[in-house]
Parts: sequence; C-alpha cells; structure tokens
Amino acid sequence: NAGVTQTPKFQVLKTGQSMTLQCAQDMNHEYMSWYRQDPGMGLRLIHYSVGAGITDQGEVPNGYNVSRSTTEDFPLRLLSAAPSQTSVYFCASSFQAGTGIYFGDGTRLSIL
Amino acid sequence: TQLLEQSPQFLSIQEGENLTVYCNSSSVFSSLQWYRQEPGEGPVLLVTVVTGGEVKKLKRLTFQFGDARKDSSLHITAAQPGDTGLYLCAGAQSSNYKLTFGKGTLLTVNP
Repeated sequence: NAGVTQTPKFQVLKTGQSMTLQCAQDMNHEYMSWYRQDPGMGLRLIHYSVGAGITDQGEVPNGYNVSRSTTEDFPLRLLSAAPSQTSVYFCASSFQAGTGIYFGDGTRLSIL
Repeated sequence: TQLLEQSPQFLSIQEGENLTVYCNSSSVFSSLQWYRQEPGEGPVLLVTVVTGGEVKKLKRLTFQFGDARKDSSLHITAAQPGDTGLYLCAGAQSSNYKLTFGKGTLLTVNP
C-alpha cells in the first residue's frame, strides 16, 4: 500500500543550494499539491496541480517551482535555498480537487 | 484568504473524559474535512462533511457540519491515549481547488 511516497525523508542544505523534493502517488489521482508545515502557521499550500501539464500557485509559492509531466509524479524544486524555507514539506493527492486528500509522510528540510 | 480558526489550541485530558474541538470561519465551505496527525507523520483523513447540519460518526468520534456550512465540531466520547494527536480541520470552496487548513488542536489524552 504505497499511496503517496516522498523522498528524501530528511535533508540538510546550505543557503543558496538547490534541490528537488520528490513525490509520487500510485492511486491515479488527478489532483496533487505541496504544503509546508511550520510551528504556529499550520499547513500552507505552496503549489498544486489539477492534472498532468497543469500547475498553479498556492498561498506561498515564492522560491519554489513545480512541474507535472505525468499523473504519478509532482516534484517540488527549491531554486536557491534560504533559511526561511526550513520546514516540513508534505505532498498530497486526491481523486478530485476539493475532496479529502492523502498525504505523504513528509520531508524534513533544514537550511543552514 | 479564508481563515479557519480552531479552538482550543491545546487540550490535555484524562482517559475516559469527553471533549469537543471547534472549527469556525466567516466563509462558507462546500465541504469540510477533519484530519489527525501524529508526530513524524502526515495528516490522515478522518471524515468529509458536505451538507449543512450533517452529522457523521466514526466509532467514538462525532463530526458535525454547521447549518450555514461555516463551522464544524468534533466530539470524542471516552477519550483514549490512542486519540492523542493534532486534529486539523480543512475547508474547500466550490469556487476554487484549494483547501484551507486551520492551525489545529493538539490533544493529549493521559492514561
């Protein structure tokens, strides 16, 4: 029962480095999204996709890029890491937008 | 930005007690969802409510959606230590595809 798989689980970066957080789902869900979770801030939407080839910005998109070339994969790219991007990142998917979503276990990212 | 306010922010109770947590907004939602998150894991969907006034039960958990679809409550009967976790509500609006999350209620049930 894979569901939503995120890699890596933990990552430490230096300021200015770039990296890609991977997300894959095996449920044939059209809708996928990325959230960050910070203490006192709750879950905030970074980017989302309603299907392959379609992406849009969420609440906090600056500093992040996404693409959706397949239904299964939705990678999140940090272009030039900053300490403010230290957070726990969650990828999620659902059968259709606006319904209950399934989360991965998260990537814990620290930017030094 | 539509806000969902959850209360209380923290709740610590003894095993066997009952509790209610609340999720309130000034916005109308087409559906509202409740999630539970345990440390080191992603949130797990508990229930989705879509009709004003709807009540759903999941074992000892009772979820209610307000008549005006602006608020919801989660009631737990005879809480157990396994209920410990962060409870999150999230609202969806029919006008867009985005879920808005509350900041959560951190529940601790002591044995």
